[in-house]
Amino acid sequence: QVQLQESGPGLVKPSQTLSLTCTVSGGSIGSGSYSWIWIRQPAGKGLEWIGRIYNSGTTNYNPSLKSRVTISVDTSKNQFSLELTSVTAADTAVYYCARAAPGGYSVWYFDYWGQGTLVTVSS
Amino acid sequence: DIQMTQSPSSLSASVGDRVTITCRASQSISRNLSWYQQKPGKAPKLLIYAASSLQRGIPSRFSGSGSGTDFTLTISSLQPEDFATYYCQQSDSTPWTFGQGTKVEIK
Repeated sequence: QVQLQESGPGLVKPSQTLSLTCTVSGGSIGSGSYSWIWIRQPAGKGLEWIGRIYNSGTTNYNPSLKSRVTISVDTSKNQFSLELTSVTAADTAVYYCARAAPGGYSVWYFDYWGQGTLVTVSS
Repeated sequence: DIQMTQSPSSLSASVGDRVTITCRASQSISRNLSWYQQKPGKAPKLLIYAASSLQRGIPSRFSGSGSGTDFTLTISSLQPEDFATYYCQQSDSTPWTFGQGTKVEIK
């Protein structure tokens, strides 16, 4: 059973960098055709896809965040990470990591999720 | 970006009711659509992928249909544990996008 767990500071000051790590257990992040993703959800609002990374290191980012986002992978630690720079209050949200599985052609579905971690941007 | 629009935004239903939620894409996405269920304080849970494929372990009262721009999630007989918010999500092209959610409440 694959499990994902987010970790990182719960409070970040405005203009600073938000850094989160997702640790994967029950499976190797370096195997298979999966991609590893970050999603966020402001309180009471919907889900926003932030970006994805393959175990090769190839990334895709949401254009709305692309200039501020970096996702990286460390296969030796079975972890992948998110960095979001120059944060503002608008970046306050629950951040989820998840696994995206390929279902053929352009089908990708998110079958395993972390529990989510609340990050608040405030001075 | 492909916009995903769900309707209704919320609905009230009773245990045993048949419930239908609609998701419309701003352009054709073939069958590259998934459905998720989210309960308060929890991560979303995959129900359906590729428009109509039931994820392992999900009860058969959940079903999905559609292709192109119009999709439907149906719960054939609503159970107490089904009261939650439901999201559709397209994977036809990045950025992957979600619908705004449909909250299913107890009548």
